[in-house]
Amino acid sequence: GAVVSQHPSRVICKSGTSVKIECRSLDFQATTMFWYRQFPKQSLMLMATSNEGSKATYEQGVEKDKFLINHASLTLSTLTVTSAHPEDSSFYICSASLAAPEGYTFGSGTRLTVV
Amino acid sequence: AQSVTQPDIHITVSEGASLELRCNYSYGATPYLFWYVQSPGQGLQLLLKYFSGDTLVQGIKGFEAEFKRSQSSFNLRKPSVHWSDAAEYFCAARRGGTASKLTFGTGTRLQVML
Repeated sequence: GAVVSQHPSRVICKSGTSVKIECRSLDFQATTMFWYRQFPKQSLMLMATSNEGSKATYEQGVEKDKFLINHASLTLSTLTVTSAHPEDSSFYICSASLAAPEGYTFGSGTRLTVV
Repeated sequence: AQSVTQPDIHITVSEGASLELRCNYSYGATPYLFWYVQSPGQGLQLLLKYFSGDTLVQGIKGFEAEFKRSQSSFNLRKPSVHWSDAAEYFCAARRGGTASKLTFGTGTRLQVML
């Protein structure tokens, strides 16, 4: 089946540094990918939608300059958290839209801790 | 505005007991509906989905869900819960169109007592 590989699964970084999270579609082409953020014991909040070869569409309230999304190929989308702060600590999950209408496959998530 | 509501934040059931997790949606038209399960620190796994047709949908791991248009509901059920079912369950919905974004409910945490 369609698999999205997300790396790293866990990352700890110092405040002020940048962190890149990658999502790769392993056996299909992902034209559209979604990036979610999940706080502990809460639901998934959509941050942005990325389409291959074009700029990402960010949800209201999400800082574009802080959460940089690149979707340069049909198999790779990246989320870079720039100048990370402790409040950026969270669980980030990517999802790829599948060609079939049922829609989505999810990465296994990245636990980001900013110290 | 489109929304998905899961009224129960936390549910505890005994192993072997039946389970029903509630989900209500608010959309202009009947959306596509999904149930996902998430184990701690993991991504989401699709349990089942509804697009149209038979309103009783069978999924993996013995789960089923029933779509009721009159109640705008899509409740998840399992006749006999296993300890390994303890996890977070999310109901989600989206409009038609391949790349439409999902709207998630707030989730229901299931605890299973042995």
